[in-house]
Amino acid sequence: DSGVTQTPKHLITATGQRVTLRCSPRSGDLSVYWYQQSLDQGLQFLIQYYNGEERAKGNILERFSAQQFPDLHSELNLSSLELGDSALYFCASSPYQGSLYEQYFGPGTRLTVT
Amino acid sequence: GESVGLHLPTLSVQEGDNSIINCAYSNSASDYFIWYKQESGKGPQFIIDIRSNMDKRQGQRVTVLLNKTVKHLSLQIAATQPGDSAVYFCAGGGSARQLTFGSGTQLTVLP
Repeated sequence: DSGVTQTPKHLITATGQRVTLRCSPRSGDLSVYWYQQSLDQGLQFLIQYYNGEERAKGNILERFSAQQFPDLHSELNLSSLELGDSALYFCASSPYQGSLYEQYFGPGTRLTVT
Repeated sequence: GESVGLHLPTLSVQEGDNSIINCAYSNSASDYFIWYKQESGKGPQFIIDIRSNMDKRQGQRVTVLLNKTVKHLSLQIAATQPGDSAVYFCAGGGSARQLTFGSGTQLTVLP
């Protein structure tokens, strides 16, 4: 158990809908990362927040947005969903100490768009 | 841009043998290269990283080798065990510590 929690575990929704994925980082970790894992694109970095502020953006679509709240939990919002958005979405956290790239990944949310 | 992790998709080894998982990268803007392991149904798990100015780093039962001349990275696992069966990803580290993952190698440990 990495200490990172993600809810829900599974999500099935229809095209055009909007969903929110939630992540609670490990206690004390200020940095949260979101990744998307799909069969055709692999594991891709979407966005990073550090202590409530956006720090880096990757291949995140304009239909997707995220935020990190004062209690450090984060939400990833996916809107106008398309079939191609079906994927595993991982949240990871890191303390920004120790090994620079040691991130702790949650168990993921499996999103299925029908 | 950076392209990391042109892996062979699968690798099978006998239990107890050493495993070598390879990764290639193109243009390197990464200060670090990192190996992650993903077991079925779980999120990736950090194994080891190596700074781009090093050529070797050892951990517990694992060694990472970096050859900048040919832009090649490898992960060696000593005395491979059934619990090592997983997908292994190499990744490049970005300026904000985000990770650019390669495509991964499925390691299967045979009894």
